[in-house]
Amino acid sequence: NAGVTQTPKFQVLKTGQSMTLQCAQDMNHEYMSWYRQDPGMGLRLIHYSVGAGITDQGEVPNGYNVSRSTTEDFPLRLLSAAPSQTSVYFCASSYSKARATEAFFGQGTRLTVV
Amino acid sequence: KQEVTQIPAALSVPEGENLVLNCSFTDSAIYNLQWFRQDPGKGLTSLLLIQSSQREQTSGRLNASLDKSSGRSTLYIAASQPGDSATYLCAVEGIQGAQKLVFGQGTRLTINP
Repeated sequence: NAGVTQTPKFQVLKTGQSMTLQCAQDMNHEYMSWYRQDPGMGLRLIHYSVGAGITDQGEVPNGYNVSRSTTEDFPLRLLSAAPSQTSVYFCASSYSKARATEAFFGQGTRLTVV
Repeated sequence: KQEVTQIPAALSVPEGENLVLNCSFTDSAIYNLQWFRQDPGKGLTSLLLIQSSQREQTSGRLNASLDKSSGRSTLYIAASQPGDSATYLCAVEGIQGAQKLVFGQGTRLTINP
């Protein structure tokens, strides 16, 4: 199994540009989520989804959009990139609460906004 | 709001020592607690998951305990090896589930040969 796959691994954007970070999982997990990791701040939840068609905001959702049209994919869209969005972004997935399993993380996308 | 704290922020020990990493959380209404390992430039790998009804979990040389009432968890690493060098993160999931994890800032562990 490939697990959780994130693309791209690295990206440089100019302020004001938009882009989509891709996340795909092949484990048929119901739950998927996006986190950003910043020095001194740890990992913080951006958006999450409990199933196809259902998304909600996490702790730091401003400037980001998500959608989940399929179980496998959960893309994160930056609408108008700002230097404050420079960070490492991680996608995670897991089975639903009923199965109580650990979260699986992708390898991350390192984003720099100049 | 749930807050998770990990102490110490960094730890350096000689190979072979047994060591304990600490994690504390402010809200005891949790669904589970997970310990992760993160290598530089890599993603997170789950090490142990403890359900709120459990007291401990073991995997090889790793043992994690949970005291929900006091808001504490420890990760015990026996007979440490240089390959254990990494950042260790703990994260709690609230009772609503949905994989809404709240992370500590991690302990950076270095095992010296």
